Amino acid sequence: DVKVTQSSRYLVKRTGEKVFLECVQDMDHENMFWYRQDPGLGLRLIYFSYDVKMKEKGDIPEGYSVSREKKERFSLILESASTNQTSMYLCASSLFGGGIQHFGDGTRLSIL
Amino acid sequence: DQQVKQNSPSLSVQEGRISILNCDYTNSMFDYFLWYKKYPAEGPTFLISISSIKDKNEDGRFTVFLNKSAKHLSLHIVPSQPGDSAVYFCAASGDSGNTPLVFGKGTRLSVIA
Repeated sequence: DVKVTQSSRYLVKRTGEKVFLECVQDMDHENMFWYRQDPGLGLRLIYFSYDVKMKEKGDIPEGYSVSREKKERFSLILESASTNQTSMYLCASSLFGGGIQHFGDGTRLSIL
Repeated sequence: DQQVKQNSPSLSVQEGRISILNCDYTNSMFDYFLWYKKYPAEGPTFLISISSIKDKNEDGRFTVFLNKSAKHLSLHIVPSQPGDSAVYFCAASGDSGNTPLVFGKGTRLSVIA
């Protein structure tokens, strides 16, 4: 079974802080993704990566950056957290870009 | 512009009856379609998929139908069970390369006992 593990289930941070969300997958997948889920807006793609050290902007990259130094790990960084970044963050991985994505359980992030 | 649309934000169905969730797409290059199910506080889980070379795919209580000419797909759940209550996302893909899935906004299904 594919396992995608997100480092925290719940996280509370303050505005202006730099926030790191970590994601690890154990299936040697090439592609990894970061989404946020908000009520009524569905899943919105923030960034994705199709190889180590490669990254591509998704639909809403503003205020975020990512890092992929190792194949199994994909980090999402909120450079200076703001209250409008309070959301559920979901990481996913897939063998190829348009294939079945396997999701982690999500991180519920609150920015106060 | 939304390429994958789920026009019903919510749906209520009685236990034992059929649930039909609908999804429309605009991009004729899409050739692979998926449904995901999501419970609160969990990540989405893959449910069923269909390739554009087929018009139906069945897996137990779940069947997905694809109408390419109408650019429409639907997920049928028969019989519906209370444990099916969740948000269902439709997703589409246009190639097997590096282009990510495109997701709809989801439909919240409530199955009432």
